[in-house]
Amino acid sequence: DTEVTQTPKHLVMGMTNKKSLKCEQHMGHRAMYWYKQKAKKPPELMFVYSYEKLSINESVPSRFSPECPNSSLLNLHLHALQPEDSALYLCASSQSWGTSGSYEQFFGPGTRLTVL
Amino acid sequence: GEDVEQSLFLSVREGDSSVINCTYTDSSSTYLYWYKQEPGAGLQLLTYIFSNMDMKQDQRLTVLLNKKDKHLSLRIADTQTGDSAIYFCAGVSSNTGKLIFGQGTTLQVKP
Repeated sequence: DTEVTQTPKHLVMGMTNKKSLKCEQHMGHRAMYWYKQKAKKPPELMFVYSYEKLSINESVPSRFSPECPNSSLLNLHLHALQPEDSALYLCASSQSWGTSGSYEQFFGPGTRLTVL
Repeated sequence: GEDVEQSLFLSVREGDSSVINCTYTDSSSTYLYWYKQEPGAGLQLLTYIFSNMDMKQDQRLTVLLNKKDKHLSLRIADTQTGDSAIYFCAGVSSNTGKLIFGQGTTLQVKP
């Protein structure tokens, strides 16, 4: 099973709303990621969790707040977003995280977020 | 800095071979990947190659790596309309462990 699931598939929210994106994997992977992708562009890394600890925050605005409750789950809490935050948000996981080894990342289907 | 470059668009006829090219700057990247993204979907890992290999074949897919020229290519044999998608090559940064993506090549397959 190489599946990463994400909910919801689509989300429309106002700039004053609070919402959460959820990601789950059952491959026993110990690294999980959030990416943001604009149309026809490559994914941009936002956060990396390794063994449930935040390893990388790519200077993401605080209106995005990640959470890793356990090794299978990853959340992204959203608050006071701007219209320019509208994008496809992708979750990924890999066996581990580091500069060596084939830690191929498996991506979920994404959540299409629209901020009004 | 680390960079990965791809041509943006490729159009082929159904049944022809497609070759998507990629160049990268980080000569220490140990693994290089090809991902496929269909409209409205996430990224699907197609294949990867270890840096000490020259070629890897997997059914209709052939990956060629020229480490001297830092050039990677993906050949799709007998291209089908279902192969229409954006293809991203990516390398693992030897400094940070992050995936560095190319800009993506849109493959259009004409019937």
